[in-house]
Amino acid sequence: EIVLTQSPGTLSLSPGERATLSCRASQSVSSNYLAWYQQTPGQAPRLLIYGASSRATGIPDRFSGSGSGTDFTLTISRLEPEDFAVYYCQQYGISPSFGQGTKVEIK
Amino acid sequence: EVQLLESGGGLLQPGGSLRLSCAASGFTFSTYAMSWARQAPGRGLEWVSSISDNGRTTYYADSVKGRFTTSRANSRNTLYLQINSLRAEDTAIYYCVKTGDRIRGVYNYFDTWGQGTLVTVSS
Repeated sequence: EIVLTQSPGTLSLSPGERATLSCRASQSVSSNYLAWYQQTPGQAPRLLIYGASSRATGIPDRFSGSGSGTDFTLTISRLEPEDFAVYYCQQYGISPSFGQGTKVEIK
Repeated sequence: EVQLLESGGGLLQPGGSLRLSCAASGFTFSTYAMSWARQAPGRGLEWVSSISDNGRTTYYADSVKGRFTTSRANSRNTLYLQINSLRAEDTAIYYCVKTGDRIRGVYNYFDTWGQGTLVTVSS
């Protein structure tokens, strides 16, 4: 089983700032089968990024994903008020798994 | 518009059983693998199970293997999750999830999530 570790646990930032979220895998993620999701309170998760760097339909270009192998990053270039949420990474190879989440909160 | 509507959750006792349903619309259901994921109160996301587009292949997390059964009725655009031998740790919101790429099959990202149905296991 691939274990995903996200850091930091909480990120305190102001609107307009840049957010950098990390996701580290315990072993290499095959074919970059790595996705990022956003979840706001009381809502279902929403797909942001798949294939490590491809934006899902309708996702603003301030969201970008990068990385390969065991180290992946989600970057939000300029935080908008609606971006304050919890973000999860997921590997979707054999036996999918999620990271524990990073909360982006307003400073 | 893709829509996934789960139903069947509720308050159940340990050892009990229930079946969750997910009514899908807005896409060609029979051509996509589907999955279930869950989220315990205040906790993170956990993949539960996936099923191929034709229903012939299913995969389960170790935590539910042998107790959960995923199936689908393509003629009715419906996904099911049969849960037996309920445990307190099964308490969670259960999400029905559509995969994103018809070609990838079950090894696939989750592009649309339902709103979830809450299952509470307590005596």
